[in-house]
Amino acid sequence: GQQLNQSPQSMFIQEGEDVSMNCTSSSIFNTWLWYKQDPGEGPVLLIALYKAGELTSNGRLTAQFGITRKDSFLNISASIPSDVGIYFCAGRVTGTASKLTFGTGTRLQVTL
Amino acid sequence: DVKVTQSSRYLVKRTGEKVFLECVQDMDHENMFWYRQDPGLGLRLIYFSYDVKMKEKGDIPEGYSVSREKKERFSLILESASTNQTSMYLCASSPLEVGYTFGSGTRLTVV
Repeated sequence: GQQLNQSPQSMFIQEGEDVSMNCTSSSIFNTWLWYKQDPGEGPVLLIALYKAGELTSNGRLTAQFGITRKDSFLNISASIPSDVGIYFCAGRVTGTASKLTFGTGTRLQVTL
Repeated sequence: DVKVTQSSRYLVKRTGEKVFLECVQDMDHENMFWYRQDPGLGLRLIYFSYDVKMKEKGDIPEGYSVSREKKERFSLILESASTNQTSMYLCASSPLEVGYTFGSGTRLTVV
């Protein structure tokens, strides 16, 4: 089955730094989503994007739906310790109703 | 808020056992999904269901089956558990065309 290429696989950053991660696909998506998974929990939806070129913010998080429809980006500004976790991108291909394809995840560690 | 409840957080089963993982959602969602999560592989879709008694195979259905007798409940069945099915299993539900709500996961160890 199809999977999204997500990078980087892991990041170690200092508190206060900005973070960038991205997701690419060989297929066109009509929806991009970003999830965060805290240790020992299920993923929680952070941001949903529905149009090519769309830029959406949720607090310190900003995500963009790539113009080509084949990529998406997530930025976290001024990281804090509770940002620790695994971040997943997910995309929905046109015509597949509700089924999402997930990226392999970016593990974020924040040091004080 | 939508709640998706997975019946067990941790399970340890023996090779060859039949294993049932239960998932219940409380918001009348049409769609329900089972994923497994393994390090470096992300989330891989096992089975999904768009309606009661309806099921479709995902990307890795081998060794698994599912049951959806009621709209709120979606069960994942490991017919004969094997050690390579040791994993974190995540259930999710959604209404049409919207992002998923996940349960907290079941960490299954097969020994």
